[in-house]
Amino acid sequence: DAGVTQSPTHLIKTRGQHVTLRCSPISGHKSVSWYQQVLGQGPQFIFQYYEKEERGRGNFPDRFSARQFPNYSSELNVNALLLGDSALYLCASSLMSGDNQPQHFGDGTRLSIL
Amino acid sequence: GENVEQHPSTLSVQEGDSAVIKCTYSDSASNYFPWYKQELGKGPQLIIDIRSNVGEKKDQRIAVTLNKTAKHFSLHITETQPEDSAVYFCAAFFGNQFYFGTGTSLTVIP
Repeated sequence: DAGVTQSPTHLIKTRGQHVTLRCSPISGHKSVSWYQQVLGQGPQFIFQYYEKEERGRGNFPDRFSARQFPNYSSELNVNALLLGDSALYLCASSLMSGDNQPQHFGDGTRLSIL
Repeated sequence: GENVEQHPSTLSVQEGDSAVIKCTYSDSASNYFPWYKQELGKGPQLIIDIRSNVGEKKDQRIAVTLNKTAKHFSLHITETQPEDSAVYFCAAFFGNQFYFGTGTSLTVIP
């Protein structure tokens, strides 16, 4: 069975541009979460979606937005890119939302801002 | 919010020895604690998890222990092998999100 898939794997943008990252969850999983991982740090929570509804939001500016589609795939959008947005963006899926649901990660999108 | 502290940040062990990584959390309401292994160029891989109603869980060479009173949990890897070399992250769920530790870079020396 396919795991969590993310695209693209790498992306280079310049300051001020916007970017869309995509994620397909494990088949049967209905919840998708997005994380930002800066080099040398643990993943930091950005959003969680379940059944197309936002279920949680981390401490990120409004330049970050996301949505989930009827097939449970998801997009993360970042506007007005800053140098500090350079990071690995990870998507994780779980069967449902909730406090005891194991999350399974994709290999991420490496975003570099020039 | 929750705060998860992880120690040590780096750990080197001889092949065959044991490795222990420790995490503490701040919010007593946390009740689910997964551990992830991240290899270079890959996403974190769930290797073991524990819920608050259990004190210890084992899966072959890997075990996790939880002390809810002291608010800390630990990952134990026995009979380490070179392929165990990676960065390991602990996490705790609180509110509506997971909070991750800062990671432990484990090197197993052949």
